[in-house]
Amino acid sequence: RKEVEQDPGPFNVPEGATVAFNCTYSNSASQSFFWYRQDCRKEPKLLMSVYSSGNEDGRFTAQLNRASQYISLLIRDSKLSDSATYLCVVNRVNDYKLSFGAGTTVTVRA
Amino acid sequence: EAGVVQSPRYKIIEKKQPVAFWCNPISGHNTLYWYRQNLGQGPELLIRYENEEAVDDSQLPKDRFSAERLKGVDSTLKIQPAELGDSAVYLCASNQGLARTGELFFGEGSRLTVL
Repeated sequence: RKEVEQDPGPFNVPEGATVAFNCTYSNSASQSFFWYRQDCRKEPKLLMSVYSSGNEDGRFTAQLNRASQYISLLIRDSKLSDSATYLCVVNRVNDYKLSFGAGTTVTVRA
Repeated sequence: EAGVVQSPRYKIIEKKQPVAFWCNPISGHNTLYWYRQNLGQGPELLIRYENEEAVDDSQLPKDRFSAERLKGVDSTLKIQPAELGDSAVYLCASNQGLARTGELFFGEGSRLTVL
């Protein structure tokens, strides 16, 4: 079983729509969680960290469910520029190895 | 401030040939990572350096891959000989250690095609 699993999508949504997707992780010792964004043929970039209480950054909301071992990302009022692959990333306490999911592709259409 | 710089951006070689990738991390970043990303997959760690010391190379295929980070700044990743399955994007990343922010700063990557 992979350490981090994501629905690959693609999620095709119209502009202005809300889209949400999850990521599950297998290691209960995982302590830190992140969402990275990767545009086509570009490098991954940190979108946001995920905190235990959930957090928002503008139109983006991240949630963590430790009991069920998943994190989620919700994008409100989707823009064309949100089209990208979203990578779920986890790491364990005192472990510098980040484990990346395979990514969820989102395509926002006009 | 300059980001992580990698070269070459693209490389096409025939199998069994050697290839080398170079990375210059962000100034002041003591931790450097080499990742490999296959098509449709997330990046997978090959090796992590703390300054000039390789502290995690458990995922590096040591029969054909080697890496070095002399003087704790620039790093080189080498493959010799290359195999068809090595075709991927090789990403270099750096940060000041995950204890800070958990944010990795990636270079644009070196896209390798082995024919």
